[in-house]
Amino acid sequence: DAGVIQSPRHEVTEMGQEVTLRCKPISGHDYLFWYRQTMMRGLELLIYFNNNVPIDDSGMPEDRFSAKMPNASFSTLKIQPSEPRDSAVYFCASIGAGVGNEQFFGPGTRLTVL
Amino acid sequence: GQNIDQPTEMTATEGAIVQINCTYQTSGFNGLFWYQQHAGEAPTFLSYNVLDGLEEKGRFSSFLSRSKGYSYLLLKELQMKDSASYLCAVSSSGGSYIPTFGRGTSLIVHP
Repeated sequence: DAGVIQSPRHEVTEMGQEVTLRCKPISGHDYLFWYRQTMMRGLELLIYFNNNVPIDDSGMPEDRFSAKMPNASFSTLKIQPSEPRDSAVYFCASIGAGVGNEQFFGPGTRLTVL
Repeated sequence: GQNIDQPTEMTATEGAIVQINCTYQTSGFNGLFWYQQHAGEAPTFLSYNVLDGLEEKGRFSSFLSRSKGYSYLLLKELQMKDSASYLCAVSSSGGSYIPTFGRGTSLIVHP
């Protein structure tokens, strides 16, 4: 398996633009997580899905952030409009066979909002 | 909620032994993870402790004391490539079993 795949790996955009981050989890994994990592706040859970259904989005900073998982092999995290404080590394992770097992992380998307 | 505490930074010498501590407060503890994260890369799984005691895996060992809300990661025969951030994460029923991550400990190994 190729592991968790994320795209793009790097994104530079201007304030106010829409940003879409993409994730393909490991085949067969039924949990998918979106995290944001910054030096100031560490690794923060934004939202997670179980069998394509959003379970907990309490970590989503505000209405500018939205996430979807239209099928078992694809998820998006969208920021509209983007702001400089959204600059961070965004990780997608997946878990198979139960939520208590290890998470497999994608390589991350480094987002810079100017 | 959950509270996880780790030292921010540690330094050690190549070939030495280092212990990275993690203390936590949570309700309904289920398990504790350790992840390694090299600069610019994703976290990767190191260990998972559910029961009290020490679990050894090569040069790395992880210890858990549930009654004390305490864990440590022990790295032996340190190598330069062990320079990384080490993240402690706790799974609990209070958090729906979703791991909550600490801020991580940045380990610097010097010659």
